[in-house]
Amino acid sequence: NAGVTQTPKFRILKIGQSMTLQCTQDMNHNYMYWYRQDPGMGLKLIYYSVGAGITDKGEVPNGYNVSRSTTEDFPLRLELAAPSQTSVYFCASSAGQGSSPLHFGNGTRLTVT
Amino acid sequence: DAKTTQPNSMESNEEEPVHLPCNHSTISGTDYIHWYRQLPSQGPEYVIHGLTSNVNNRMASLAIAEDRKSSTLILHRATLRDAAVYYCILRDVTDTDKLIFGTGTRLQVFP
Repeated sequence: NAGVTQTPKFRILKIGQSMTLQCTQDMNHNYMYWYRQDPGMGLKLIYYSVGAGITDKGEVPNGYNVSRSTTEDFPLRLELAAPSQTSVYFCASSAGQGSSPLHFGNGTRLTVT
Repeated sequence: DAKTTQPNSMESNEEEPVHLPCNHSTISGTDYIHWYRQLPSQGPEYVIHGLTSNVNNRMASLAIAEDRKSSTLILHRATLRDAAVYYCILRDVTDTDKLIFGTGTRLQVFP
């Protein structure tokens, strides 16, 4: 199993540009999450999904959109990039709640200039 | 808001035991206690979890207070590779699973 795969690893965007961060998992996990991590800070939840077709906002959803059309994929969309969105983005998945561990991807480092 | 509180930083010497505390005074009966660690420039990785009883695995031990309002992650012999940020979070078994991480504890290990 590849686990949780995020692409791209690095990206530089200009202010106002749009992009989609890709996240796919091959573990048939229902639960998926998007976090951002600013330099020297902890993880902030952006959006999460408890199954295909179901998404919900986390702590910091403004400026982002998500979709979950399949179990495997959970893309994160930035419509109008702003410097405040410069961060490292992590995708995670888990089989269920409670005792199920989270599996994280290696992250996408995004710079908006 | 995060449902757990941890010290910002801790230090240890190599090959000494490390006890990382976590307070979760508002824990519910259906919350599991999870620990993750994040090595520099990597995504977080799972360490251990528990509900009521103490737990051991190859990476660490988890000691849970009898009232479950606090827990301690124990690294029995710290190595330089254990230098990381350690996060304690709660995972509920109910439908709402909005996982909120706190700021974690940055562990420094000295040779």
